[in-house]
Amino acid sequence: AQKITQTQPGMFVQEKEAVTLDCTYDTSDQSYGLFWYKQPSSGEMIFLIYQGSYDEQNATEGRYSLNFQKARKSANLVISASQLGDSAMYFCAPSGAGSYQLTFGKGTKLSVIP
Amino acid sequence: EAQVTQNPRYLITVTGKKLTVTCSQNMNHEYMSWYRQDPGLGLRQIYYSMNVEVTDKGDVPEGYKVSRKEKRNFPLILESPSPNQTSLYFCASSWTFGNEQFFGPGTRLTVL
Repeated sequence: AQKITQTQPGMFVQEKEAVTLDCTYDTSDQSYGLFWYKQPSSGEMIFLIYQGSYDEQNATEGRYSLNFQKARKSANLVISASQLGDSAMYFCAPSGAGSYQLTFGKGTKLSVIP
Repeated sequence: EAQVTQNPRYLITVTGKKLTVTCSQNMNHEYMSWYRQDPGLGLRQIYYSMNVEVTDKGDVPEGYKVSRKEKRNFPLILESPSPNQTSLYFCASSWTFGNEQFFGPGTRLTVL
């Protein structure tokens, strides 16, 4: 299985501020994708954003964007203008071309402070 | 409505009593997967299926079985549950591997 590292078990951010959640991974695949999911306290898993390893532009989806650095094997999630509803667990998950397994990081718990 | 359904949502059982957690999707997805979520460990993949009759082990398959006889269904079977299988279980599906996965609502299992 791939090794995924989300170095921040917990983070706090002031409402309306931007926050970056880190994710690094260990893969030898040349072609892969990277997913970010959100899990609010209600428990459901919500897809946020996807980056393909050959995409030239960093992925963006509304207030979510990825800071993708392929050489460093990192894909950090940036949430702009944080809202109280952003308080949740956030998981990154790379998918490799050499395996059909999907491995998730251990997650970062984000708390947005009013 | 496009969705992944799981049943039951909550289950309390005793050690050794066989159980099945059902998973069904109505999106004609080829790829389906089971995960368990434990505090501090994130989601770990138990089994996955690339298509009908094609299944393979994930990271933590011990104590679990699956089958994929129809495209829409992917049941998770615990032949002899043990307390260390107490967890929150998620089923997920996607068009193919590498696409966004749609998750079911989760099944909270307690084995006494």
